[in-house]
Amino acid sequence: EAQVTQNPRYLITVTGKKLTVTCSQNMNHEYMSWYRQDPGLGLRQIYYSMNVEVTDKGDVPEGYKVSRKEKRNFPLILESPSPNQTSLYFCASSLGLAGDLLSTDTQYFGPGTRLTVL
Amino acid sequence: AQSVTQLGSHVSVSEGALVLLRCNYSSSVPPYLFWYVQYPNQGLQLLLKYTSAATLVKGINGFEAEFKKSETSFHLTKPSAHMSDAAEYFCAVSSARQLTFGSGTQLTVLP
Repeated sequence: EAQVTQNPRYLITVTGKKLTVTCSQNMNHEYMSWYRQDPGLGLRQIYYSMNVEVTDKGDVPEGYKVSRKEKRNFPLILESPSPNQTSLYFCASSLGLAGDLLSTDTQYFGPGTRLTVL
Repeated sequence: AQSVTQLGSHVSVSEGALVLLRCNYSSSVPPYLFWYVQYPNQGLQLLLKYTSAATLVKGINGFEAEFKKSETSFHLTKPSAHMSDAAEYFCAVSSARQLTFGSGTQLTVLP
């Protein structure tokens, strides 16, 4: 089954304790992205990756890191989490068609990771 | 910079009534527009998308949206609401590298 998986689905942690949220897709997609969802703000993009070893900042990258060493995996790293990073996080992937066609790509979303930082 | 505005964070309709969820966009280039739906405790899934091929776009589950350039709108409609349509709906505009979402509209369907 084609899917985007995230782990863990739920996480409660304390301020300053490094954590990693994993994301994996089995659709051979080039493009992957992380979003956070907060009430009244919709989804905001944190980081995205056009391909292996190619990553770039989205709208809210502060306090986050990512890496793309393999095509299928795109982990999100919080090196020193703070309470304002409490949120619902989604990973997404898409084909990553070339040029302008990328704008029409459908993004496929994982089930989400609910993170609470105390 | 591109953006979308969704009017109404909460919309309630009766089962069988028309569903209308509003989305206005701002874009300096011809936009590509999407509607995604999020059912409780799930990720988002695509309802429909506008890619300039046709102004009236039909999606899944009986939803459709019409692109109106003169009004910079891409409103989502469904003629007859079903209880299973209760969810949060997001309008989004796409650039070559980013998908920018609106703040979402929570749809409640009343029996």
